Amino acid sequence: AQKVTQAQTEISVVEKEDVTLDCVYETRDTTYYLFWYKQPPSGELVFLIRRNSFDEQNEISGRYSWNFQKSTSSFNFTITASQVVDSAVYFCAQSGGNTPLVFGKGTRLSVIA
Amino acid sequence: NAGVTQTPKFRVLKTGQSMTLLCAQDMNHEYMYWYRQDPGMGLRLIHYSVGEGTTAKGEVPDGYNVSRLKKQNFLLGLESAAPSQTSVYFCATGDRSRVYNEQFFGPGTRLTVL
Repeated sequence: AQKVTQAQTEISVVEKEDVTLDCVYETRDTTYYLFWYKQPPSGELVFLIRRNSFDEQNEISGRYSWNFQKSTSSFNFTITASQVVDSAVYFCAQSGGNTPLVFGKGTRLSVIA
Repeated sequence: NAGVTQTPKFRVLKTGQSMTLLCAQDMNHEYMYWYRQDPGMGLRLIHYSVGEGTTAKGEVPDGYNVSRLKKQNFLLGLESAAPSQTSVYFCATGDRSRVYNEQFFGPGTRLTVL
């Protein structure tokens, strides 16, 4: 069975600090996909990134970066120089391909000015 | 293009009342999903559909029914609402041609059952 664990329920940082959101997954699939979504206070779900199990290259997009490590079944998300607009709930999710997403419980990030 | 829309945006029900939530999409996606989001629980899958006329149960299907009579619409029904069904409901769609199943979410429906 698939499972996604986001052990950090809430994180508070001061603006400009770096912050890492942890995500650990469990799956028996050899091919799988990992996702991060952002849910700002307005409530909508915003897609951030997708990685497949064959590609362990880390990815950077502006202040955002993702570290995928199959050896530890982790797909962590780092925000560099955090800003107040980064305050949101962040969800990690996993899919076995053509199967529904399984979400973690989310991490609420508060960035304080 | 509207993408994924949900109707209504907000609703308050009394225990025992029934209602239907409508999800509509104009992206021609085969897959459609209904999730509920509760504080501290993340998103949990209620029901989903892999095509017109087909539905399947997700993680938390009890108390809900669904129908997919048209490809673009996915209905979620509550026959006899209970306070435990107070939640935010999200609809999502997925493109079958993409094996990685990226999902596109609607704006959500906030339901309160008194």
